Amino acid sequence: GEDVEQSLFLSVREGDSSVINCTYTDSSSTYLYWYKQEPGAGLQLLTYIFSNMDMKQDQRLTVLLNKKDKHLSLRIADTQTGDSAIYFCAESQAGTALIFGKGTTLSVSS
Amino acid sequence: DTAVSQTPKYLVTQMGNDKSIKCEQNLGHDTMYWYKQDSKKFLKIMFSYNNKELIINETVPNRFSPKSPDKAHLNLHINSLELGDSAVYFCASSPLAGVFSGNTIYFGEGSWLTVV
Repeated sequence: GEDVEQSLFLSVREGDSSVINCTYTDSSSTYLYWYKQEPGAGLQLLTYIFSNMDMKQDQRLTVLLNKKDKHLSLRIADTQTGDSAIYFCAESQAGTALIFGKGTTLSVSS
Repeated sequence: DTAVSQTPKYLVTQMGNDKSIKCEQNLGHDTMYWYKQDSKKFLKIMFSYNNKELIINETVPNRFSPKSPDKAHLNLHINSLELGDSAVYFCASSPLAGVFSGNTIYFGEGSWLTVV
């Protein structure tokens, strides 16, 4: 099975906040990442957080990390239709490669 | 200018054929990767090269052979294609080997391979 778990779908209305959750299993992971994949496109790094941090904010994005529970979340404030995409949580294992979750498809309706 | 470019973007081919996907990065990075995204959107590392040397080789059928003629290029050759090889293959690069702060991994746009 996969090491990184995410819910598969999230549907929100434009202007609402979106919260995408992720759990990981490798307690030695030092960095955790959020990538965005728009339809037919590659992966774009949105943000990352170091494991000694609890929170990181970058404009509309807020990342929360609960290391005890191995839980990572991405909050998108004032969600727009252009935010519709697949969001991948990823962890660095053994410092050599990224291990991705299955992705959460975010659908934003106007 | 595209940082990580891969060709072709779309490829439809018959079972049993041999095909290659090419990847080039113009970022001056030392490390390049191939990831496979299956029909369920799951992304998995296949190979990683650091300065032309193989450093990650996950459990991948030996029909898949990466080749790095120089550190700016990492090509993926697939022999005797099977239906299950249908997927999106992403090339990526990073300044250094290893995943750490500042060592952002940049992905290409993906190559959609369909085996019929």
